[in-house]
Amino acid sequence: TQLLEQSPQFLSIQEGENLTVYCNSSSVFSSLQWYRQEPGEGPVLLVTVVTGGEVKKLKRLTFQFGDARKDSSLHITAAQPGDTGLYLCAGENQAGTALIFGKGTTLSVSS
Amino acid sequence: DTAVSQTPKYLVTQMGNDKSIKCEQNLGHDTMYWYKQDSKKFLKIMFSYNNKELIINETVPNRFSPKSPDKAHLNLHINSLELGDSAVYFCASSQPGQGIAAQHFGDGTRLSIL
Repeated sequence: TQLLEQSPQFLSIQEGENLTVYCNSSSVFSSLQWYRQEPGEGPVLLVTVVTGGEVKKLKRLTFQFGDARKDSSLHITAAQPGDTGLYLCAGENQAGTALIFGKGTTLSVSS
Repeated sequence: DTAVSQTPKYLVTQMGNDKSIKCEQNLGHDTMYWYKQDSKKFLKIMFSYNNKELIINETVPNRFSPKSPDKAHLNLHINSLELGDSAVYFCASSQPGQGIAAQHFGDGTRLSIL
């Protein structure tokens, strides 16, 4: 069974701090996606990483795909209250027909 | 212009009732999905339809019956609602190319069973 483990589950920090969220698996994934979900809304795609070792940047967010394509991380520099939300990593199932989601990291950034 | 819209946003009903949730996407995507997000925010695939045909039915009780009248619509009908059905249900769509493409989610339907 393919599983994606996310850590930490909850993170509460002050504005301006840096943080890293991890997404790990014992399975190899062809790609991993990161989504952010705000209360009362559906998840919104932030990035897709495809190549092992790939690093992608989205303003203050840096995403990395592990060399073996079994893990990924999301690093946020100088967090802002607007970064508050639920961060989900997701990977394609073995049949290539749907996404498997991690259990999410709830981030709270206070000013 | 909302890309994936689902109605209703909130649904409060009694155990044993039958209810439906509607979903429409205006993105021209071929594939639509239903996900269930539980109280711990865990998001799990329930069904996937590609061009009106069922692709995935992930160990969902047969009280749940999806229906796709055309590729822009995927509705979810639930019979004999149980307490454990309380959750947020999300509809999503994507246009697969190579592998799973970005999923576009609706804003969810919060189902509460009394």
